[in-house]
Amino acid sequence: DIQMTQSPSSLSASVGDRVTITCRASQTISTNLNWYQQKPGKAPTLLIYEASILQRGVPSRFSGSRSETEFTLTISGLQVEDFATYHCHQSYSFPFTFGGGTKVEI
Amino acid sequence: EVQLVESGGGLVQPGGSLTLSCAASGFTFSNYWMHWVRQVPGKGLVWLSRVSSDGTTTTYADSVNGRFTVSRDNAQNTLYLQMNTLGVEDTAVYYCARLISWGYFDYWGQGALVIVSS
Repeated sequence: DIQMTQSPSSLSASVGDRVTITCRASQTISTNLNWYQQKPGKAPTLLIYEASILQRGVPSRFSGSRSETEFTLTISGLQVEDFATYHCHQSYSFPFTFGGGTKVEI
Repeated sequence: EVQLVESGGGLVQPGGSLTLSCAASGFTFSNYWMHWVRQVPGKGLVWLSRVSSDGTTTTYADSVNGRFTVSRDNAQNTLYLQMNTLGVEDTAVYYCARLISWGYFDYWGQGALVIVSS
């Protein structure tokens, strides 16, 4: 199985900050990496797919990038509504696997 | 509007069985592969199973293979997850999700809480 190592597991930030979350795959997954946002008590929602493509309706302050097996989610200018948990997800091979999540707190 | 609505969660004793349903609306259900993902509260997401658009192909995570069965009724626009021989480790929120062919989940259900406890 492909292991997805997500870091950090949590971080504290302020409104307006630039936040970076990283996910490292245990083997090549091409660009088959997706990012989801999850708020307490709610289902995840898709932010970015194929490593860097913004889902329709997602604010442009969210961006994704890839360097080999390392993937980054960046939030440029953190807003109040962005305080949530973020998950990465590899869809390169089965079983699909997720990172452990990153909780972004105030 | 695309909607996925899970039902069937609840409290079950260890060794028991439960069947979750996921009612789909707002899209042509029979065109999409559907998946189940679960999450222990406060923990990460874990992929469980998938079923092809026509219901003929299924795949499972090792942790549930042989105990869980995914199926669908395209006439009723409903996805199912039959769970047998449940253990306390199966306590989680269970989500159904629609997979887009590029390989991402664009819609998720609201989640169904399953608690396995005596």
